[in-house]
Amino acid sequence: DTGVSQDPRHKITKRGQNVTFRCDPISEHNRLYWYRQTLGQGPEFLTYFQNEAQLEKSRLLSDRFSAERPKGSFSTLEIQRTEQGDSAMYLCASRGTGTGGYNEQFFGPGTRLTVL
Amino acid sequence: GNSVTQMEGPVTLSEEAFLTINCTYTATGYPSLFWYVQYPGEGLQLLLKATKADDKGSNKGFEATYRKETTSFHLEKGSVQVSDSAVYFCALNPGNTPLVFGKGTRLSVIA
Repeated sequence: DTGVSQDPRHKITKRGQNVTFRCDPISEHNRLYWYRQTLGQGPEFLTYFQNEAQLEKSRLLSDRFSAERPKGSFSTLEIQRTEQGDSAMYLCASRGTGTGGYNEQFFGPGTRLTVL
Repeated sequence: GNSVTQMEGPVTLSEEAFLTINCTYTATGYPSLFWYVQYPGEGLQLLLKATKADDKGSNKGFEATYRKETTSFHLEKGSVQVSDSAVYFCALNPGNTPLVFGKGTRLSVIA
C-alpha cells in the first residue's frame, strides 16, 4: 500500500456545477478525515468517519456538502451548486485506532478545486 | 476553544543558518502537539510530535519541545538545507479528535 490517494488531483468547474472527490485511505485504517485548505491558511477540519459512520461534522460543512464512506473503505465528498468560495485544496487523511499511543494521521496529496 | 498561532512567513534563510519557527497554542486539557511539513506539490507529512509536557520531538535534525508553562512548541533546526524549503504547520490534537492547524509558515532556504 502506497498511502492515501485522492482523485482527481485537480478539478476546474463552473459556478453552480456539482463536483465529487474520492479518497482511498490506507487499507485497514478505520478513521478517515476530510479537511479543506485555502490559500495561505492551514487545513480546516470538515468531517470524519470511523468505518462507515460519520461521527463529526464541522460547521464549515454547509448543506451543499455531503460525504459518504460506504462499506468503510473509500470515501467521497460531494459539493453541490459550487460557489467561488469553495475553491480550495481538499485533503483526506486516514489513521488506525490501534491500542496505546498516538496514531498518526496520514494525508493524501489533495484535490485542488477551482470554481470559475 | 482550541487554536494554534504560528509566526507568519515567509522566512528566508541561507543554507546552514539556524531556524526557529514559533508556535503557541490554546487548548482545553492536555493536547498532543505536532509539526507537519508540506513540500511543493506534495501532501502533508508528519515531521515530529510530542504527546505530553516536556517531551521533545525530533526528526531529520528538527526539534521541538512541548512547553506547557508557555503553551509553546517552537520548531528549531541548527543548520538548514535547501531541501528544507517547504511550508511548516504546527498543529494540536486535544484527544482523539481532528487536528487543529496553524496557518503555516513558508520557509525558503537559499544556497
